[in-house]
Amino acid sequence: GQNIDQPTEMTATEGAIVQINCTYQTSGFNGLFWYQQHAGEAPTFLSYNVLDGLEEKGRFSSFLSRSKGYSYLLLKELQMKDSASYLCAALMNTGFQKLVFGTGTRLLVSP
Amino acid sequence: DADVTQTPRNRITKTGKRIMLECSQTKGHDRMYWYRQDPGLGLQLIYYSFDVKDINKGEISDGYSVSRQAQAKFSLSLESAIPNQTALYFCATSDTSGGVNEQFFGPGTRLTVL
Repeated sequence: GQNIDQPTEMTATEGAIVQINCTYQTSGFNGLFWYQQHAGEAPTFLSYNVLDGLEEKGRFSSFLSRSKGYSYLLLKELQMKDSASYLCAALMNTGFQKLVFGTGTRLLVSP
Repeated sequence: DADVTQTPRNRITKTGKRIMLECSQTKGHDRMYWYRQDPGLGLQLIYYSFDVKDINKGEISDGYSVSRQAQAKFSLSLESAIPNQTALYFCATSDTSGGVNEQFFGPGTRLTVL
């Protein structure tokens, strides 16, 4: 089966660090994407992990552990504009490459 | 200019009407997708197409049909709209040239069926 779990909502303060966790149970796992989506807008690509470990990209980092079925997105030096939903998506290879999305974590950054 | 465009951006229609949502891309990607997004649910795949002659059903294709008129165009039709098809619809593209192959999303179409 396919199951992606992430918290529904998180709050944090401007300038702080927040970690958004994602666990997955999918067959044919091929990698893990993180997307950012502001309310009413299109999801935009943040990161992709295919190997275990940490990928750093500016203020955002993403980690993957394939053996544990676990990923996290780390946001540093939070800014108000980081208030958005963060979507975890597992790439599955079951004859074709398909993205299975979690329900998203809504992050609210307060002053 | 946007690489992936969708028309219309907003549409209100009545139960039983036929509706077409259109998607165009200038990225030169071969793969195109239609998703719907409902509050509290993840993006759900409706249909996907790997090239003009290859169209496949996704998780929730019932009540929908698609047409890939050209590599750059992928349309989604609701033959007889019903209220539970009220949702935000996204088109996306990706390519197979190697690398990350992330999906690029259009701006979305907000559809309301009364």
